[in-house]
Amino acid sequence: GENVGLHLPTLSVQEGDNSIINCAYSNSASDYFIWYKQESGKGPQFIIDIRSNMDKRQGQRVTVLLNKTVKHLSLQIAATQPGDSAVYFCAESTGGYQKVTFGIGTKLQVIP
Amino acid sequence: EAGVAQSPRYKIIEKRQSVAFWCNPISGHATLYWYQQILGQGPKLLIQFQNNGVVDDSQLPKDRFSAERLKGVDSTLKIQPAKLEDSAVYLCASSPLAGAEYEQFFGPGTRLTVL
Repeated sequence: GENVGLHLPTLSVQEGDNSIINCAYSNSASDYFIWYKQESGKGPQFIIDIRSNMDKRQGQRVTVLLNKTVKHLSLQIAATQPGDSAVYFCAESTGGYQKVTFGIGTKLQVIP
Repeated sequence: EAGVAQSPRYKIIEKRQSVAFWCNPISGHATLYWYQQILGQGPKLLIQFQNNGVVDDSQLPKDRFSAERLKGVDSTLKIQPAKLEDSAVYLCASSPLAGAEYEQFFGPGTRLTVL
């Protein structure tokens, strides 16, 4: 299949541990921040988003933290599983027409 | 619920040839996007439709790329003539007009190789 993770930063995590994936963004005017998961040979899959007026949002096994002071976004995955192995992209959205700009991805490798 | 459908899944052409990709969004989704994803990079938006109107095509290389969404449903993306640097995965996504408006649903993509 396609290797979407080629030349990307890689995070290796032991199964069952927590994972933290970080992202820096540049546009202070972004109103939404989104995390996507992309498995090899597939399109990106929405994981979770957060509005710019929030600093934390939790989903199922995932938490997104937003620090607007330093323009930093992170995705925390609890009890990482082999199925979490993928490339993770942060993205930011501006304007009223849902324009989404993707950042550089991070490849997550889960070690069984 | 059926997802976003794209065809073909793979295409190999020689430079200067033409190619077309097809996308069928999720039923009822008003917004349709085409992205280009070069290997090792995040997807880059090429064009965004709201129903059958273009909302944003600022990053579409209009000298060689064109897209249409007739009747506000299916969409085609065409490249004519193709260049080597067009080798990439072309992703189609759709989202509903209302509700979880920032959740875009992506298709599996079409992998284009230009030789």
